[in-house]
Amino acid sequence: KQEVTQIPAALSVPEGENLVLNCSFTDSAIYNLQWFRQDPGKGLTSLLLIQSSQREQTSGRLNASLDKSSGRSTLYIAASQPGDSATYLCAVRPGANSKLTFGKGITLSVRP
Amino acid sequence: GAVVSQHPSWVICKSGTSVKIECRSLDFQATTMFWYRQFPKQSLMLMATSNEGSKATYEQGVEKDKFLINHASLTLSTLTVTSAHPEDSSFYICSASWAREGTEAFFGQGTRLTVV
Repeated sequence: KQEVTQIPAALSVPEGENLVLNCSFTDSAIYNLQWFRQDPGKGLTSLLLIQSSQREQTSGRLNASLDKSSGRSTLYIAASQPGDSATYLCAVRPGANSKLTFGKGITLSVRP
Repeated sequence: GAVVSQHPSWVICKSGTSVKIECRSLDFQATTMFWYRQFPKQSLMLMATSNEGSKATYEQGVEKDKFLINHASLTLSTLTVTSAHPEDSSFYICSASWAREGTEAFFGQGTRLTVV
């Protein structure tokens, strides 16, 4: 059974800092991995999608990497801003139309 | 990214009544939709998977007679909470995806259900 772990559960950093959020999964046989952002009381916003054949994806100040063999993904946020404060979840999918397995998320607080 | 619209964003209902939540994929045809429930400060709990034109597949422990899911078209799925009780109060989120290379999941904005 696939398990996705995100540690730590919460993180507080000063504005401007570059930071890395970690995600690990136990079964390397994944189809893709997706990073999401969730603001309080809101749905999930897709940030980056990495296919199993890819090593990384970039969008603006965000960069996500994937190392399937070691069961790890990282989300790199450059020059963090208070507006980046949210909960970040990673999720893996075993097949094209399969359900996602989520981590519990990392709640990020960026202090002005 | 693609847009998934969920309605209503919040609803308050009386105990014993039924509530319907709609999930629409606005700019793509969703072959599969997923319904999640989220408790405060918890991650998402998958309730069921629905494919257009067929019966939903419910996760273990989810009462299919209580949480009715209908996926009548490629752009619309509905979740009906029947005979709602206060313990059904929660945040419900839908997700839509379609089977193509690079399947990406898109989520609705969620529905806050409060049963009084």
